[in-house]
Amino acid sequence: AQSVTQPDIHITVSEGASLELRCNYSYGATPYLFWYVQSPGQGLQLLLKYFSGDTLVQGIKGFEAEFKRSQSSFNLRKPSVHWSDAAEYFCAVALSGYSTLTFGKGTMLLVSP
Amino acid sequence: ETGVTQTPRHLVMGMTNKKSLKCEQHLGHNAMYWYKQSAKKPLELMFVYSLEERVENNSVPSRFSPECPNSSHLFLHLHTLQPEDSALYLCASSQDPGGGGEQFFGPGTRLTVL
Repeated sequence: AQSVTQPDIHITVSEGASLELRCNYSYGATPYLFWYVQSPGQGLQLLLKYFSGDTLVQGIKGFEAEFKRSQSSFNLRKPSVHWSDAAEYFCAVALSGYSTLTFGKGTMLLVSP
Repeated sequence: ETGVTQTPRHLVMGMTNKKSLKCEQHLGHNAMYWYKQSAKKPLELMFVYSLEERVENNSVPSRFSPECPNSSHLFLHLHTLQPEDSALYLCASSQDPGGGGEQFFGPGTRLTVL
């Protein structure tokens, strides 16, 4: 069965600093890959997704992610973090367009002034 | 209303109560989902409905009973719950079933079982 690992439970970043959140997946083929964000008291919102093609994917709110097949990774990045980015971030995978999502446990991002 | 709405937003119930969670999507989607979000655990998919037919049930205890009367509405009926069922219950919808398309999430119902 596929699995998703987000090794960092919490990350604290200074406002204006760069951010990288890690995500690794376990599956033989290339899955469909997603990053979602959840603000307090809210549901999940899709930031970006990768299906095929260019391995660097641009998303909303200035986020990007890079798919690295050799490392089975799909790390999320942002060059300059804003205080409003404080939230929980979830990586998710699907085996195909018609299979359901498997989520990682999430990484809580704290932004310090 | 736009997107996916859920009511109530908060629910406290005793172990012998019967209650229902409601989800409504205003996006014209064909698939709807129930997820359970517990602290320190990944989101757990509970049920998937496609065009009002249940297509997936991930070994959820029978004290949780879903109902999908039409493609816009999804209910989760609760009875004789346990304290470990306390969690955030999220509803989502997508154009088609599965993970290939974006899933749109509601804000969730925070359930506390006493």
